[in-house]
Amino acid sequence: AQSVTQLDSHVSVSEGTPVLLRCNYSSSYSPSLFWYVQHPNKGLQLLLKYTSAATLVKGINGFEAEFKKSETSFHLTKPSAHMSDAAEYFCVVSDRRSGYSTLTFGKGTMLLVSP
Amino acid sequence: KAGVTQTPRYLIKTRGQQVTLSCSPISGHRSVSWYQQTPGQGLQFLFEYFSETQRNKGNFPGRFSGRQFSNSRSEMNVSTLELGDSALYLCASSLRLAGGPANEQFFGPGTRLTVL
Repeated sequence: AQSVTQLDSHVSVSEGTPVLLRCNYSSSYSPSLFWYVQHPNKGLQLLLKYTSAATLVKGINGFEAEFKKSETSFHLTKPSAHMSDAAEYFCVVSDRRSGYSTLTFGKGTMLLVSP
Repeated sequence: KAGVTQTPRYLIKTRGQQVTLSCSPISGHRSVSWYQQTPGQGLQFLFEYFSETQRNKGNFPGRFSGRQFSNSRSEMNVSTLELGDSALYLCASSLRLAGGPANEQFFGPGTRLTVL
């Protein structure tokens, strides 16, 4: 079965420093991978997605992620954190075996940004 | 283009009651998925409807049910509420079946259900 592990439940950074949110996935088939962000009391918003095109995926708000098949990872990065980036981030996987009809979410990583 | 809307935004119920939540997808979207979000279990998939048919179901008891109408609006029902059903219920819509290649899901703001 497909699964996804977000390696950190909380990440704290200072404004202006780089952000790294780590995600490892398990899938025996061609996965689609997504990162979603959830601000307090809001729904989820798609940041970026990987669907077997370029391995380096650029998303909104300066975020990007690199798909590394050999490491089964899909880490999310941003060169410089902004206060508005404080939110919870979810790594999501879906694979062909499931008919692409089920998304499996990681437990989430809470990003804290201090001034 | 209007986003995904969910009603009501907040609900308080007591154990044993039943509840119906509503979701209106983005115009033109045919797939509606439901998720339960709790601090302990995170985001868990409930079910997905596409063209009025349930296409997939998560690992939840039969007390959780749903349906989709011809205009793609969806409702979710929970019967015989338990304290553990307290959660944020999220609805998401997409053009095609959820999770497909390049197929983005758009989420609503959620319905916060509290069971006393």
